[in-house]
Amino acid sequence: GDSVTQMEGPVTLSEEAFLTINCTYTATGYPSLFWYVQYPGEGLQLLLKATKADDKGSNKGFEATYRKETTSFHLEKGSVQVSDSAVYFCALSDLGTSGSARQLTFGSGTQLTVLP
Amino acid sequence: SQTIHQWPATLVQPVGSPLSLECTVEGTSNPNLYWYRQAAGRGLQLLFYSVGIGQISSEVPQNLSASRPQDRQFILSSKKLLLSDSGFYLCAWKQSSYEQYFGPGTRLTVT
Repeated sequence: GDSVTQMEGPVTLSEEAFLTINCTYTATGYPSLFWYVQYPGEGLQLLLKATKADDKGSNKGFEATYRKETTSFHLEKGSVQVSDSAVYFCALSDLGTSGSARQLTFGSGTQLTVLP
Repeated sequence: SQTIHQWPATLVQPVGSPLSLECTVEGTSNPNLYWYRQAAGRGLQLLFYSVGIGQISSEVPQNLSASRPQDRQFILSSKKLLLSDSGFYLCAWKQSSYEQYFGPGTRLTVT
């Protein structure tokens, strides 16, 4: 079945540091890939997405490129801020056995803390 | 624009008591709807999804159930809560695109 593997956290960085959170996936078809962010006590927000190979999703200074050859979708940001402290989830959406339901398969999440 | 609501925001219930969590979506019609649970410090577990009124698919056998009495209403229920039911419950919706959009969640503590 489909699966998503994220780098283990927690990750602690100083403000303005470079961020990379690794994400790799296995899927039977051609999935769409997503990064979601969850701030403390809140639901998940879609951060960015990519629907086909070599697509680059970007939002709020975050970027991730859909690499089919390495089955990866690593999240990057050039200069993190304290306000970026949150849990980040990588996810994929594939047809699987659910047809139109297109369920999401999530990674386990990576806690990011940015210190001033 | 579309919005998704969940209530209550927080809930403390004793073991063995019933549960009803509600989720409603505005600004869209015939969405796919999902219930997830997030245990403390863990990822998301899909509990139920629905592609239409009265159509419920269960992903994990447990003492929870779901219903969809109206197109944009999704309810999560239990007749008797267990300690292990504690967690953060998230509702999500999806239309024709691939991504899902999440509600603000309900924090459930079973004591």
